[in-house]
Amino acid sequence: EAGVTQSPTHLIKTRGQQATLRCSPISGHTSVYWYQQALGLGLQFLLWYDEGEERNRGNFPPRFSGRQFPNYSSELNVNALELEDSALYLCASSSTTILGNEQFFGPGTRLTVL
Amino acid sequence: AQSVAQPEDQVNVAEGNPLTVKCTYSVSGNPYLFWYVQYPNRGLQFLLKYITGDNLVKGSYGFEAEFNKSQTSFHLKKPSALVSDSALYFCAVRLYGGSQGNLIFGKGTKLSVKP
Repeated sequence: EAGVTQSPTHLIKTRGQQATLRCSPISGHTSVYWYQQALGLGLQFLLWYDEGEERNRGNFPPRFSGRQFPNYSSELNVNALELEDSALYLCASSSTTILGNEQFFGPGTRLTVL
Repeated sequence: AQSVAQPEDQVNVAEGNPLTVKCTYSVSGNPYLFWYVQYPNRGLQFLLKYITGDNLVKGSYGFEAEFNKSQTSFHLKKPSALVSDSALYFCAVRLYGGSQGNLIFGKGTKLSVKP
């Protein structure tokens, strides 16, 4: 069974640009989560999508947005990039919204903002 | 507010010795608790979870964790450490019975196992 996949592996942008990160969940999983892992800040929750709808949002500005497609894949968009957006962005998926099912993580996208 | 604390930034253990990585949590309801491991330049790998039932949970790679409700702790343990266990370990909590499905993570504990 294929795991969670993310693309691209690395992304280099300049301040003010937009970045788009993509995630494909494990087959059969309907929930997709996005987390930011910035140096010194640990893992911060960004967004949760399930069945195409945004279910919850972390404490991030509106320039962080995303969506989930009918095939349950997801996209994270970061507009007006700032230097502090440089981080590893992790996507995770789980099978249902029954809380307790563990989340399975992808390898991440390393975003560098210059 | 919900939070998870991992009081040790780093734990150093000799190979073959037992290891403990500490985690305490603060939530308003009943939590689901998780441990994940992260190797350099990799995503997180699930180790084990506590949902309900037996307070001692066994997981992958010989790890186990003990849930203590009175102390609100969920410490990760292994009887005999391996050099290959060296990695970054994250404790996480998630509430059940609500709309929130995301995990709340501790800051992480770097485990270093020396030969």
